Amino acid sequence: NAGVTQTPKFQVLKTGQSMTLQCAQDMNHNSMYWYRQDPGMGLRLIYYSASEGTTDKGEVPNGYNVSRLNKREFSLRLESAAPSQTSVYFCASSEATGALHFGNGTRLTVT
Amino acid sequence: AQSVTQLGSHVSVSEGALVLLRCNYSSSVPPYLFWYVQYPNQGLQLLLKYTSAATLVKGINGFEAEFKKSETSFHLTKPSAHMSDAAEYFCAVSGRSGGSYIPTFGRGTSLIVHP
Repeated sequence: NAGVTQTPKFQVLKTGQSMTLQCAQDMNHNSMYWYRQDPGMGLRLIYYSASEGTTDKGEVPNGYNVSRLNKREFSLRLESAAPSQTSVYFCASSEATGALHFGNGTRLTVT
Repeated sequence: AQSVTQLGSHVSVSEGALVLLRCNYSSSVPPYLFWYVQYPNQGLQLLLKYTSAATLVKGINGFEAEFKKSETSFHLTKPSAHMSDAAEYFCAVSGRSGGSYIPTFGRGTSLIVHP
């Protein structure tokens, strides 16, 4: 009964380095999302995928790319990390009603 | 377009007192509305959801919320606060865009419970 699984849980990068955040869900949901959470800002949508094979930009897509590898997996890539991307990143998938199921997050620090 | 406003970034109550967390929304389509709770160092967990059925929605841990269309509100309440209710609470509105729901979140309200 894993739900949404994110890896890694913590990551420290130097400016300019790249990395990929992995996300997988086992609930057979069509839609998946990537959010970032910053203090006082709530959650802001980076990218989402309505179904396998489709992706769309959210509110704050600059500096990120995504891949919907299959129905289960949705990855987020930072090609050249910047200090402004220091944040907590959450992956989520949604039921037909739009209710979200979240992973436990990845805490990323860019120095 | 849709948006959510949560009134008060922090709410402080005594244990046993009424909890009231306020949420107002705007949406150009009939909305689905949600409350989520986040405990420290964890992801968000769904508390309850309104999806156009009964306007009074009951959720987990004794919480409930009432959808009031005329006031565009979806306030979260609990009759008696417990210490374990201390957490961050997020209200969200969801509208359908193409084949997917795109949730928009409020900035969150931190609930502080005093002994």
